[in-house]
Amino acid sequence: AQSVAQPEDQVNVAEGNPLTVKCTYSVSGNPYLFWYVQYPNRGLQFLLKYITGDNLVKGSYGFEAEFNKSQTSFHLKKPSALVSDSALYFCAVRDRGQNFVFGPGTRLSVLP
Amino acid sequence: DTGVSQDPRHKITKRGQNVTFRCDPISEHNRLYWYRQTLGQGPEFLTYFQNEAQLEKSRLLSDRFSAERPKGSFSTLEIQRTEQGDSAMYLCASSLVTSGQADTQYFGPGTRLTVL
Repeated sequence: AQSVAQPEDQVNVAEGNPLTVKCTYSVSGNPYLFWYVQYPNRGLQFLLKYITGDNLVKGSYGFEAEFNKSQTSFHLKKPSALVSDSALYFCAVRDRGQNFVFGPGTRLSVLP
Repeated sequence: DTGVSQDPRHKITKRGQNVTFRCDPISEHNRLYWYRQTLGQGPEFLTYFQNEAQLEKSRLLSDRFSAERPKGSFSTLEIQRTEQGDSAMYLCASSLVTSGQADTQYFGPGTRLTVL
């Protein structure tokens, strides 16, 4: 069965510093990988996805993620964090079937 | 706004009552998903529709839960005889699936259910 792990419940970073939110996955076959962000009292917003091709995927709001097949990871990154990036981030995986599995989420706090 | 909408945004009910939630997807999207999210957790898949056909249901979806998408547009999720454990945020998402492409799901704001 597919699964997603986000090993950090909370990530704190100073504004202007680079940020990384970690995600590892387990799935049979080639995965489809996604990152979503959730702000308080709002639905999930799509950031980016990896389907195939370049391992470095660029998405919304300056975020990017790197797919690493050997480490089964899909870490989310941003070169320079903003206070407004503070939110809950979810990694999700889908195999060749239709079922999405989300990780438990990582709360990002960007400190001014 | 042409995003996914859900109604109501909040619902408070007493244990044992029935509740129904509505989801209106992005208009051209052919696939519609329902998820449940509890505090501190990621969304858990409940069911999804391809047009009007319900193609998959999670084992989380007990007999008290039923979902419909009668005309392949909006969808309803009904919970009968609600229990306190049903208290959660119910999320709807829609996507456009084309042959050979992985769909991106776009989420609504959710309906927060509180069962007293």
